[in-house]
Amino acid sequence: GAGVSQSPSNKVTEKGKDVELRCDPISGHTALYWYRQSLGQGLEFLIYFQGNSAPDKSGLPSDRFSAERTGGSVSTLTIQRTQQEDSAVYLCASSSRTSGIPREQYFGPGTRLTVT
Amino acid sequence: AQSVTQLGSHVSVSEGALVLLRCNYSSSVPPYLFWYVQYPNQGLQLLLKYTTGATLVKGINGFEAEFKKSETSFHLTKPSAHMSDAAEYFCAVVNSGGYQKVTFGTGTKLQVIP
Repeated sequence: GAGVSQSPSNKVTEKGKDVELRCDPISGHTALYWYRQSLGQGLEFLIYFQGNSAPDKSGLPSDRFSAERTGGSVSTLTIQRTQQEDSAVYLCASSSRTSGIPREQYFGPGTRLTVT
Repeated sequence: AQSVTQLGSHVSVSEGALVLLRCNYSSSVPPYLFWYVQYPNQGLQLLLKYTTGATLVKGINGFEAEFKKSETSFHLTKPSAHMSDAAEYFCAVVNSGGYQKVTFGTGTKLQVIP
């Protein structure tokens, strides 16, 4: 079946512009995660959605970052007034359950954001 | 709070040599532990995971890891490295209680020398 997809695969934007990154999780997966991967920094947790519950936004680095998940499926990560330090690969992942023994996360290929 | 430490951001081994990638975790409750691999320009994929039961876990591509509670470690090994193993490897921990936030280590890039 289809995996996690993300669009665009690459995005180059000018400093100060807003960007939207999209994630389509695997159908039926209730949990969705956003991570940021910067060179040499590993994976930085940004936000977590689980079903209809309020998301865990504790990883968002500033109020310029926001995310939503519509209808429990597609998610959009928005970065307002982009800065050069926002340049990174943004990864989305989904998993099938959120209680009991955790299932693996399935990752999308990422969106490489470059802020010039 | 939970955390993961991966010793060595870069590891080089010769083709055919033992691969050992180190991961130590910190968790206030029994953890669930994962290793993911990221090939160049791709997303992460699961190599193996420890949840309950046997502490020696076997994964894909000949990799295995052993959960050692006394050492709070979950090191990844492979007896004989192959050129195709060159990738970045991430260790991750999830607390067994409550909401399943996943904490990843900073990753180890494995280079395999022919």
